[in-house]
Amino acid sequence: AQKVTQAQTEISVVEKEDVTLDCVYETRDTTYYLFWYKQPPSGELVFLIRRNSFDEQNEISGRYSWNFQKSTSSFNFTITASQVVDSAVYFCALIGQAGTALIFGKGTTLSVSS
Amino acid sequence: DTGVSQDPRHKITKRGQNVTFRCDPISEHNRLYWYRQTLGQGPEFLTYFQNEAQLEKSRLLSDRFSAERPKGSFSTLEIQRTEQGDSAMYLCASSLPTGSMNTEAFFGQGTRLTVV
Repeated sequence: AQKVTQAQTEISVVEKEDVTLDCVYETRDTTYYLFWYKQPPSGELVFLIRRNSFDEQNEISGRYSWNFQKSTSSFNFTITASQVVDSAVYFCALIGQAGTALIFGKGTTLSVSS
Repeated sequence: DTGVSQDPRHKITKRGQNVTFRCDPISEHNRLYWYRQTLGQGPEFLTYFQNEAQLEKSRLLSDRFSAERPKGSFSTLEIQRTEQGDSAMYLCASSLPTGSMNTEAFFGQGTRLTVV
């Protein structure tokens, strides 16, 4: 069975604070893909990043960075110097090599106040 | 616009009525997915197509739900005899096959269904 757990339901920060969103996953597949999506109030899911299971390099894209650790089955997402526009629901998702569809966590609602 | 488009964006219907939603995927994507999202939850998989073939259906997809993808292009999702529990956001996504270099699914803006 595959499962994605986002233990943080809601996080509130003040602008310019750094914030980390946690994601823990379960899968029996040896090859799998992990994703983060952002869902702003408009409702559309926006793709942020894909990570392959065989590539544990961390990635940085502007203010966003991702820490993938297979040993702990975690794929955490950090926003540095958060901004009000970062306010959204963030979803972590998983698909196995033989999988047919993304399995999503329940999401973390991030509220950034000015 | 080359993204995934869904129509309508909003639908209000009376309980017991039938509704149909449409999804137009990104043209070169042969996989198409339908998800349902209720308030405070992540999207839940309903069904997916590879080209015109419907290859998997979730247990969430009751017999009142049917999906088609004629000719492997656009897809429709029909709900018959709607119930209040069907109220949700219905999301469509498309992607290249898993194992391709670019496996991410691109989502449409969704159709919000309200059953009154």
